[in-house]
Amino acid sequence: GESVGLHLPTLSVQEGDNSIINCAYSNSASDYFIWYKQESGKGPQFIIDIRSNMDKRQGQRVTVLLNKTVKHLSLQIAATQPGDSAVYFCAENMGKNTGNQFYFGTGTSLTVIP
Amino acid sequence: DTEVTQTPKHLVMGMTNKKSLKCEQHMGHRAMYWYKQKAKKPPELMFVYSYEKLSINESVPSRFSPECPNSSLLNLHLHALQPEDSALYLCASSQPSGRAVGTQYFGPGTRLLVL
Repeated sequence: GESVGLHLPTLSVQEGDNSIINCAYSNSASDYFIWYKQESGKGPQFIIDIRSNMDKRQGQRVTVLLNKTVKHLSLQIAATQPGDSAVYFCAENMGKNTGNQFYFGTGTSLTVIP
Repeated sequence: DTEVTQTPKHLVMGMTNKKSLKCEQHMGHRAMYWYKQKAKKPPELMFVYSYEKLSINESVPSRFSPECPNSSLLNLHLHALQPEDSALYLCASSQPSGRAVGTQYFGPGTRLLVL
């Protein structure tokens, strides 16, 4: 299953399928990006990050892809599990001279159907 | 250890009360942040401290007053809040930008209800 961020803030996938969550970021000068998972009633949990000198980074069952040309970030989750159900946010950092600000995308709610 | 702790977990206060939220990290991070999060919305940046000095104030009303007593602690003092200030308040920390900002880690948040 695949989300398109602002236009599709919810995503439902079958357990075992792959999930793709998308994020459009705003500032072409942003050079660091983080994906967070937030479960109900909890703080955002770091999943994976990527700097602008890379276009792909892999973790355990997760891959982040960065397309700077179109200012687009995606999170791929392989073999999605019920425990992956949460809201996923991308966050961008505006660059080393801008005072450490991180700004968040609108989020995508992922529901995994057993 | 990537833990950021926040107290209290829950807080109910009246509009005339004064209360404080506390945040602590022991990762040696020198940038600390306060965010406000409403239900089904992303976290909104409020304040950033870098090397214990306030570096960013995102036009937050003066009824919210941050304080960074040392490199491990961050407080948010609350006074004369409005019901619309009810939200989840999140603290985070990272290494500050220099050559490159470090990964930002969040605490569990304080759920605030203003009556």
